[in-house]
Amino acid sequence: AQSVSQHNHHVILSEAASLELGCNYSYGGTVNLFWYVQYPGQHLQLLLKYFSGDPLVKGIKGFEAEFIKSKFSFNLRKPSVQWSDTAEYFCAALIKAAGNKLTFGGGTRVLVKP
Amino acid sequence: NAGVTQTPKFQVLKTGQSMTLQCAQDMNHEYMSWYRQDPGMGLRLIHYSVGAGITDQGEVPNGYNVSRLNKREFSLRLESAAPSQTSVYFCASSGPIAGSYNEQFFGPGTRLTVL
Repeated sequence: AQSVSQHNHHVILSEAASLELGCNYSYGGTVNLFWYVQYPGQHLQLLLKYFSGDPLVKGIKGFEAEFIKSKFSFNLRKPSVQWSDTAEYFCAALIKAAGNKLTFGGGTRVLVKP
Repeated sequence: NAGVTQTPKFQVLKTGQSMTLQCAQDMNHEYMSWYRQDPGMGLRLIHYSVGAGITDQGEVPNGYNVSRLNKREFSLRLESAAPSQTSVYFCASSGPIAGSYNEQFFGPGTRLTVL
């Protein structure tokens, strides 16, 4: 069965530091990839998505992610974080061949210190 | 548009009690799903539906039943709640684009505690 893994469970940063969150998926076919963010007490919101085309995807709030097919990875980056980026981040993969079900990684809690 | 709405927001049950979580979307989406969110485990798919009257099991279906009577609503029922079902439950919906499914839109969640 396909799976999505996120390498870090918790990340603590200072404001203006750069952020990179790892995500790997285990499926050899076509996948659609997503990063969702969940701010404290809120529901999940889409940060960015990759379906096809340019492997470098730009999302909202200055986030971007790079799809590297050979590494089965879809890492999330932000060059300079703000305190308001404190949230939990989830990587997810949607596999059409698997009935379009969305599989989530375990999430990474990011704390940005002011 | 309200997007995806869920009721209730909070619920406390005793072991063995039953309840139904309600979800509705006003985006004319075909695909709806229920997830549970537990610390360190991300979101896990419980059941999903690709249209009215069509449902299927996800990753963790045991102890849950679902009902999709129409396109708009998708309910999740716990017949006999257990402490292991203490979790935050999210409903989501998405619509097909170019033969595949686009991003899923999530509801605000229901925080359920089973004592």
